[in-house]
Amino acid sequence: GAVVSQHPSRVICKSGTSVKIECRSLDFQATTMFWYRQFPKQSLMLMATSNEGSKATYEQGVEKDKFLINHASLTLSTLTVTSAHPEDSSFYICSATTRNNEQFFGPGTRLTVL
Amino acid sequence: GQQVMQIPQYQHVQEGEDFTTYCNSSTTLSNIQWYKQRPGGHPVFLIQLVKSGEVKKQKRLTFQFGEAKKNSSLHITATQTTDVGTYFCAGSPYNFNKFYFGSGTKLNVKP
Repeated sequence: GAVVSQHPSRVICKSGTSVKIECRSLDFQATTMFWYRQFPKQSLMLMATSNEGSKATYEQGVEKDKFLINHASLTLSTLTVTSAHPEDSSFYICSATTRNNEQFFGPGTRLTVL
Repeated sequence: GQQVMQIPQYQHVQEGEDFTTYCNSSTTLSNIQWYKQRPGGHPVFLIQLVKSGEVKKQKRLTFQFGEAKKNSSLHITATQTTDVGTYFCAGSPYNFNKFYFGSGTKLNVKP
């Protein structure tokens, strides 16, 4: 089946620093990649839709200058949390979509901002 | 905004009992997907429903998409301990290439 990797799996950083998270589709080209945020014991909240070669589309309430998304190729999308603060601590998870619209999720990144 | 509601939030059943989770959307959906997430894991794709009134089966799992394409259900027959996890629906509104997740139903199965 389709495999999506996400790196790093865990990151701890100081307040004010920036953190980059990579999402890769390993064995297929993804037409679209999505970035979600999941709080403990809660659902996935869609943050943005990322299409290769174009600007990401952000959901209402998500600051595009704070959560920078770059979709460099059909197999790689990155999310950069800029000037991170403790309230940005969360589980960030990406998904890559096949032509059939199936979403394959990465294992997620646990971000802790001190 | 787009909303996908899911009930119940939790369900505790005895092994062998049936289980059903329901999703409702505030808007008509182009399609709906179902996922299972185990504790500590990431969501795993189960199925996608596209057609009005569609019913699909995967062994003990039965998925339905409502006639109006605004609601869906997942039914598990004779639950097993391996069914434990949180089940999410994710709906895609028309003209939007994205999915909004329901709040999820956490299933616990007692042996």
